Formats: sequence, C-alpha cells, structure tokens
Amino acid sequence: GQNIDQPTEMTATEGAIVQINCTYQTSGFNGLFWYQQHAGEAPTFLSYNVLDGLEEKGRFSSFLSRSKGYSYLLLKELQMKDSASYLCAVRDIAGTYKYIFGTGTRLKVLA
Amino acid sequence: NAGVTQTPKFRILKIGQSMTLQCTQDMNHNYMYWYRQDPGMGLKLIYYSVGAGITDKGEVPNGYNVSRSTTEDFPLRLELAAPSQTSVYFCASSYGAGGQTEQYFGPGTRLTVT
Repeated sequence: GQNIDQPTEMTATEGAIVQINCTYQTSGFNGLFWYQQHAGEAPTFLSYNVLDGLEEKGRFSSFLSRSKGYSYLLLKELQMKDSASYLCAVRDIAGTYKYIFGTGTRLKVLA
Repeated sequence: NAGVTQTPKFRILKIGQSMTLQCTQDMNHNYMYWYRQDPGMGLKLIYYSVGAGITDKGEVPNGYNVSRSTTEDFPLRLELAAPSQTSVYFCASSYGAGGQTEQYFGPGTRLTVT
C-alpha cells in the first residue's frame, strides 16, 4: 500500500530548533516535498529532496534517506509565524506522476 | 500575476444539488490538480490534468467530474451533492511533473453539504 506517516502535533518554544519527521511507503518514488499550511490558508512550497542528504534553505532544512523511506524537516530559530501545519508529500510514479500527502504535523510555537 | 484563483470561497449546498467549483491559473502551467482536505486529514487527489483536453482520475474521483478546455481553467463539477463531500477543496497547478516542480495552490473553497 501507499502510506505517509507524520506526528499529528508538536510544540516548541520561540528561538528553539524543531525536527518534524516523515516516513513513507509508496510503490514508486520521484521526490519528496514539504509544504507549509497556515490555518485556513493554502499550502505553500518549502523544500524538495530527490537524492539522499540534506538540503538547506535559510532557517529550514530537509533531509532524505530513500533506503529508510524517511525524511525530516528541520526548523531553526523558531518564530511565532512558524506556527502552522507542515505537510510531507511524496511524488509517486505509478503510470504517471501523482502526489501522496501525509496528514500534516501541526506545530505550535510558544513564546 | 494572480497565480491560482478559485471561486467561490464558501458555499453551502443542500443534498442532491449540483455546483461547479471554478479554478483559473495565469502561470501557463500544463499540470492542474483538484484536491480535497478533510479535517485532520491529508490532501486527497480527486482529478488531475496534464494539459488542455486531457484529464485523469486521482484517488477519490467518485461524485466529481472535470473538464479542461483551456490551459488556464480547470473546473470541478459536483453532481448530486452528498454530506460526505463536505470538505475544503484546493486547486493546484505546476509547470511540469518532474524535478523540483512544486505545486502552487489556490486559496480553497470551503463547501458544506447539509
């Protein structure tokens, strides 16, 4: 089957570092995406990994291990505006390109 | 450059009614998608299109229909609305399907069927 698992909720303090994990089982793999979604708003793109390793983008980094079916999103120097849901999505090749989304991790940043 | 726009923002339907959710993008993207997002759940793909005149089913297509007569527009039709179709609907588009071609999402349509 196809499945993506993420923790439902996490809480962290302003200025801290938080790691949001994502494990996946899909029939094919053609890239992993992280999206940020503020409450009541549309998802917006954060990062993309297709090869193993770490991709860094300012305060955000994303890591991928294809052999383990595992990724994480690392957020540094947390700010209140980082309070949002973080969606992990795998692009699967099953005849054609399709995206499978996890249920999202709701992050609360406390002052 | 408006990106992806969706109308309406909110709608309440009675069981059995029909409606069309509109989606337009001005980025000249070939790929367009319709998702639904239920509370506490991930995005589920309803239908997608790889170009004008070409559409295909996603994970949860039952009860919906789409058409793609132009590159810009990708309307989603609900026939005989049911309470199970209460959800937030997002339209998205992307330039291609490979590499770092992220999806751009519209603001969503919040639909309640009672």
